[in-house]
Parts: sequence; structure tokens; C-alpha cells
Amino acid sequence: KAGVTQTPRYLIKTRGQQVTLSCSPISGHRSVSWYQQTPGQGLQFLFEYFSETQRNKGNFPGRFSGRQFSNSRSEMNVSTLELGDSALYLCASSLRTSGGLNTGELFFGEGSRLTVL
Amino acid sequence: AQSVTQLGSHVSVSEGALVLLRCNYSSSVPPYLFWYVQYPNQGLQLLLKYTSAATLVKGINGFEAEFKKSETSFHLTKPSAHMSDAAEYFCAVSDNTRTASKLTFGTGTRLQVTL
Repeated sequence: KAGVTQTPRYLIKTRGQQVTLSCSPISGHRSVSWYQQTPGQGLQFLFEYFSETQRNKGNFPGRFSGRQFSNSRSEMNVSTLELGDSALYLCASSLRTSGGLNTGELFFGEGSRLTVL
Repeated sequence: AQSVTQLGSHVSVSEGALVLLRCNYSSSVPPYLFWYVQYPNQGLQLLLKYTSAATLVKGINGFEAEFKKSETSFHLTKPSAHMSDAAEYFCAVSDNTRTASKLTFGTGTRLQVTL
């Protein structure tokens, strides 16, 4: 069974640009969540999508956005990049029952490492 | 708001020695607790989880953790360390399964295993 796939793995952008990261969840997983990992702030929750709807959101500015497609694949976008956005962005997928309950186990991808110059 | 505190950003043990990584949580409701491991240049992998069933939870790779409500702790242990256990370990908390994707992570403990 293929794991969570994130693309691209590495990318370099300059301040002011925007970036789109992609995540393909494990087959059958309908919930996708995103985390930002930095040395200073650690792992921070960005948002979660389930059935193409944002279900939870962390404390990030509106420059950070996401979406989910009907095949459960997800993208996140960061606009007007700042130096502080340099981070490893991790996507995780999980099972959610039809009633919306989460099994509590997240399966993480290897991440997309973004460097902003 | 929930939070977890991991005591010790770096822990070093000898191969074959006991591994003890500490985690204390704060939660206003019965928590769901997790331990994840991250190897260099990789994502996180779930080691074990506590979701209000047995207080002693066994995970993968010989790790286990005990939920102690009176001490608000969920420490991770392994009787005998192996070189392959060298990695960063994260404790995490969520309030219930409906928001279990919204985990609050600790700052991590880097485990070093020496010969």
C-alpha cells in the first residue's frame, strides 16, 4: 500500500512569491491535515480537510490556504512568502468514519522542505 | 487549551540501556495521547497511542508508555536501546477523536544511542 506522497520534496522561493504544495493521501484515507515544522516553533497544525471541506484550522495567517479534491488529494498554498515561512511542511492522512470520527492515527509523508530567500 | 511538555531536548543512552523519554500533558478533558518518531529527512511515524483504554500501551519496535492521570504523564520507555532507535521523538495530545487530526506536539526529544 503506497504511503502519503508529497511533492515537491524540496523547493526554493524568494520573498513575495507564492508556492503550492501537493499531498496524495493513502488510498482510502479521506482526511488530510497539514503541519509546519521549524526549529524555532516545532510542529504546528495548519489545517485539516475532510470531504473537500476544511474541518479544523490552526493559528496561521490567511496567506496559508488549502483545498482538497474529490479524490482526497490536497494542496496547500502560501502566498506572499516571508523568510519565516521557510520550513518543512508535512502532510498527514487518516481514516475518518462516515460519522466523522477519526481513528487518531496520522500517517505522515516525508514532507516538502521550503526555503525562502 | 491542551499542551504537552517534553523534559529534555536531548537524551543519550548506551546501547542495551533503558530508554526513558518524559512527557507531561495538560488537558481540560480526557486526552488522547500519542508518541511519534521522526528519523532524519523523514516524516513522523506513530509509535503508540492512548485513547482511554488500557493505561499501559504497547507500541512498535518494543516501545511502551504508561498513562498516569494522577501525574499527568505519558512517559515513553524501552527496556533495551538499539542503535536504530536514534531519532527524534515527539509526544502529542488531542482532545478527542473528532479533532484527532489537530495534534498539539511537544518540542521533541532527540535520542542518541552510543556503543
